[in-house]
Amino acid sequence: SQTIHQWPATLVQPVGSPLSLECTVEGTSNPNLYWYRQAAGRGLQLLFYSVGIGQISSEVPQNLSASRPQDRQFILSSKKLLLSDSGFYLCAWSFGFSGRTQETQYFGPGTRLLVL
Amino acid sequence: GNSVTQMEGPVTLSEEAFLTINCTYTATGYPSLFWYVQYPGEGLQLLLKATKADDKGSNKGFEATYRKETTSFHLEKGSVQVSDSAVYFCALIFPNSGYSTLTFGKGTMLLVSP
Repeated sequence: SQTIHQWPATLVQPVGSPLSLECTVEGTSNPNLYWYRQAAGRGLQLLFYSVGIGQISSEVPQNLSASRPQDRQFILSSKKLLLSDSGFYLCAWSFGFSGRTQETQYFGPGTRLLVL
Repeated sequence: GNSVTQMEGPVTLSEEAFLTINCTYTATGYPSLFWYVQYPGEGLQLLLKATKADDKGSNKGFEATYRKETTSFHLEKGSVQVSDSAVYFCALIFPNSGYSTLTFGKGTMLLVSP
């Protein structure tokens, strides 16, 4: 069976500091990977998705970036955090097939980020 | 573009009451439809899904039927429990379209009291 991990679970960072959130998937190969953000009282916003190593697509231009250094590892980064970056960050995966998106996405436990 | 509209919450019910959370969608073509549930402080869990018209998804006593004629996918449960208190998200996706992502509704909070 497949599992998805995220860490850290919670993070408190000052404005202007860097950020690195990690997501790993076990039990499958070549998954599609996604980063979402859930701001307080709002729905889910897709930030990035990836269909393979080194292949990143950005949905929303902002001061965040994503990388996929290994097949089952997805990293969300920032060089300088803003107050507006606070939120709940969710990583998700779906089965990949020929580079096309498959339907069901499975979510990790999330990272709660508070920027002060 | 695609969109999902859910009833606004919170929905407040007593234990054993009947639950309906409305969800309608706007999309060209025939998407797959999902309900996800988010318990406090946790990530999203897939609750149920339906991939074509008239399909009924079901899980843990929850049900939803894909109604193409009304573009709806309402979530129902006959008897809610306190442990069902959570935020419920309706979502759609077009599978196998090359580039496709989940479109979520804004979520509906359910609060069940003993």
